[in-house]
This record gives sequence, C-alpha cells and structure tokens, in this order.
Amino acid sequence: DGGITQSPKYLFRKEGQNVTLSCEQNLNHDAMYWYRQDPGQGLRLIYYSQIVNDFQKGDIAEGYSVSREKKESFPLTVTSAQKNPTAFYLCASSPGPRGNQPQHFGDGTRLSIL
Amino acid sequence: AQKVTQAQTEISVVEKEDVTLDCVYETRDTTYYLFWYKQPPSGELVFLIRRNSFDEQNEISGRYSWNFQKSTSSFNFTITASQVVDSAVYFCALSEATYGASEKLVFGKGTKLTVNP
Repeated sequence: DGGITQSPKYLFRKEGQNVTLSCEQNLNHDAMYWYRQDPGQGLRLIYYSQIVNDFQKGDIAEGYSVSREKKESFPLTVTSAQKNPTAFYLCASSPGPRGNQPQHFGDGTRLSIL
Repeated sequence: AQKVTQAQTEISVVEKEDVTLDCVYETRDTTYYLFWYKQPPSGELVFLIRRNSFDEQNEISGRYSWNFQKSTSSFNFTITASQVVDSAVYFCALSEATYGASEKLVFGKGTKLTVNP
C-alpha cells in the first residue's frame, strides 16, 4: 500500500548530539513537510519542500536542517542547536501545488533527550 | 496572518451523545481551504474533510457532519451518536489557496475528545 514511513518510532538524543529522523513516501507526491507537535499544541511547520533539491523554512526552522535529494525521501536533522528537541515529529506529503490537496501523514517519531 | 482557534481543549461525552467541535479561523484571503484531521492515540493524522471558501454547503458523511459559515468564520464538526472509537484529538486547519505555492497548513491546537462507554 502507498503511504508515508517514518523511522524510528522512538529516538533518544544525548546533549550536543545531532540526530536524523527518516521520512519516506511512495505516493509519488512532489511536496513534503515536517511538523513538530508539543503536548496540548497544534502542529507547527518546521520545513517544507515542493520539489526535489528545493526546500523552504517553516515557522520554527531554527535548530533543524533538511535535505531533499530524492523525491521519495525528506530526512530531518535535529541539531545540537535545538535546545528543546523533545517533541513528536510528523512528516507529511501532498501531491504538490495543485489546489490544496490534503496532506497525508506518517505515524510520527517521538524524540526525547537522555 | 492566518489563525485557527479551537477553544475547546477537552470534551468528554458518554457514548451515543452528539458532540460538536468548534473551529474559528482568521484569514485575509478570499480564497482558502479548511480541513479537519483526526489524531487517534497511535499518533498519525487522518484526513477527514476539505472545504474551499466558495462552498458553504454543509456536508454529511455517516455520523460526521460539518457546518461551514463564512459569516462567522466558523467550520464546526459534529459527531452524531458518538462511539468510543471516536476518542481522539481533532484538529482544524487552514491553508491559503495560492496556486503554484505549497499548501502550508495552519493548525488549531486541537480538541481532545473522550467518549466514555
């Protein structure tokens, strides 16, 4: 079945360490997104990419980095500059700029600090 | 700036009760899209409905119905005869409709619905 796969499901980070969250989709979607969810909060956009080799900062990009070398993959790196990384991270994809089609979401990665 | 407000943080009902989740939005755009998503305890977001700003017809899908009123900038969601499986966090979201731009969503903070047996 087509969908979005996020891995790992749980991730622990040590102080000063960079960690990378994986997001893979086989929906042939052009656009991909990363969101952060904190308890009792809505989703906030970290980065998004409309097409391969292009990405844009969202509302809370500081301390994060991304790459989009392949259409199906959009990994997110949480750098040591992100001082409060503990959150639930959701990856999403959509067909692209064709009239606001719904975004499809993965199952999420829960990141905690050791 | 765009904004979505879900004033109800948590709602608890007994099975078979009807429940309405409120969503109020702010935007300066004349063309926009509204969405509802469901987030069950497993974590993934499940798409429920999309509505564009030119379509004010209410929609019904089984036990779910949506009431879109531009005059009050509201897009409320009603579950009729609620069931335990409806327990989840529900998010309302808004996006601009600029063709050629990515569909960035602005989410409300969500309403946690608990349906008790």
